[in-house]
Amino acid sequence: EAGVTQFPSHSVIEKGQTVTLRCDPISGHDNLYWYRRVMGKEIKFLLHFVKESKQDESGMPNNRFLAERTGGTYSTLKVQPAELEDSGVYFCASSHSPDGAYEQYFGPGTRLTVT
Amino acid sequence: GQNIDQPTEMTATEGAIVQINCTYQTSGFNGLFWYQQHAGEAPTFLSYNVLDGLEEKGRFSSFLSRSKGYSYLLLKELQMKDSASYLCVTPSSSNTGKLIFGQGTTLQVKP
Repeated sequence: EAGVTQFPSHSVIEKGQTVTLRCDPISGHDNLYWYRRVMGKEIKFLLHFVKESKQDESGMPNNRFLAERTGGTYSTLKVQPAELEDSGVYFCASSHSPDGAYEQYFGPGTRLTVT
Repeated sequence: GQNIDQPTEMTATEGAIVQINCTYQTSGFNGLFWYQQHAGEAPTFLSYNVLDGLEEKGRFSSFLSRSKGYSYLLLKELQMKDSASYLCVTPSSSNTGKLIFGQGTTLQVKP
């Protein structure tokens, strides 16, 4: 079974530019989560999809971040325009069930550097 | 609110035993996970506790005390490959699967 994949693995962009991160969850997992880790801080929740619907987007920092999951398969996270404080590692995770008792499978992350 | 505390760094010797502690404060409780994360890689699941007591899985064991808001991860017969960050994680009380992370404990295993 293929794991969660993310693309790109690294991205370096200038302040004001746009970047789109992609996540492919494990096949059959309806639940998809985005998290972010900024340097020196803990991993923090951004949002949760159930299939194509946003279940919880309480962690999204501001309206420069837009997440989509058209068709309920892969998801994209767009940052437009990027700011310096957006630098960090963006993780995607998927799970079969939204029940907190079920483990989430994480992708390797996209390391975003905004200069 | 929810808050998780764990030591930032620990060092141990190959072959030894190490215990990584975690304390948490939550408005509700839906269990506690431990994840392992090697540098530049994805966090991977190690254990899940929802009832008090010790859960053993090979060289790794995890303990939970709900009344004390306390958990620990015990690693036995340490190997060099155990050098990694260990994340104490709890599901949000909203019960939507949203995870709350501690900062992680970076464990360095020395020969």
